[in-house]
Amino acid sequence: AQSVTQPDIHITVSEGASLELRCNYSYGATPYLFWYVQSPGQGLQLLLKYFSGDTLVQGIKGFEAEFKRSQSSFNLRKPSVHWSDAAEYFCAVLNSGGSNYKLTFGKGTLLTVNP
Amino acid sequence: SAVISQKPSRDICQRGTSLTIQCQVDSQVTMMFWYRQQPGQSLTLIATANQGSEATYESGFVIDKFPISRPNLTFSTLTVSNMSPEDSSIYLCSVVFGEYGYGYTFGSGTRLTVV
Repeated sequence: AQSVTQPDIHITVSEGASLELRCNYSYGATPYLFWYVQSPGQGLQLLLKYFSGDTLVQGIKGFEAEFKRSQSSFNLRKPSVHWSDAAEYFCAVLNSGGSNYKLTFGKGTLLTVNP
Repeated sequence: SAVISQKPSRDICQRGTSLTIQCQVDSQVTMMFWYRQQPGQSLTLIATANQGSEATYESGFVIDKFPISRPNLTFSTLTVSNMSPEDSSIYLCSVVFGEYGYGYTFGSGTRLTVV
């Protein structure tokens, strides 16, 4: 069965610093990968996704992620973090076998941004 | 993309009662899902809402506890029945549009507290 691991439960960075959130997946076929962000009390907003093609994916809010098949990773990056980026971030892999479109999520990484 | 309206956005309910959550999409979508996010946890798929037929439930979720309706391609409801404090969670509706799950979108969620 597919699985997603986000090794970092909580990360704290200073505003303006660079950010990398780690995500490792386990999936037998070509993975379809997503990053979502959840602000306190809010639903999920899609940051970016990888389905095929260029392994460096650009998303909203200045985020990007790189798919590395050899490392089974899909890490999220941002060169300069803003205070408004403080939120919880979820990596997910899509099981698109047959008619099943189930998303399997990692446990999330909580990002705190210091002024 | 699809815009999802979910209501209520939050509720506080007495144990033993039931709550029905509504999910309305602004366009016809093939697939609709219900997820649960328990406090401090990641998201878990409850079931796939099938139009005109019984929902498909994931392991650990049963129809008697979480009855789901989907009368058409734009609307679904999830009922949380005979609630207990352990049902306190965020419940999210999600839809897939486009091929292969490319457009996987979430509603803003219903924050349920059972007292």
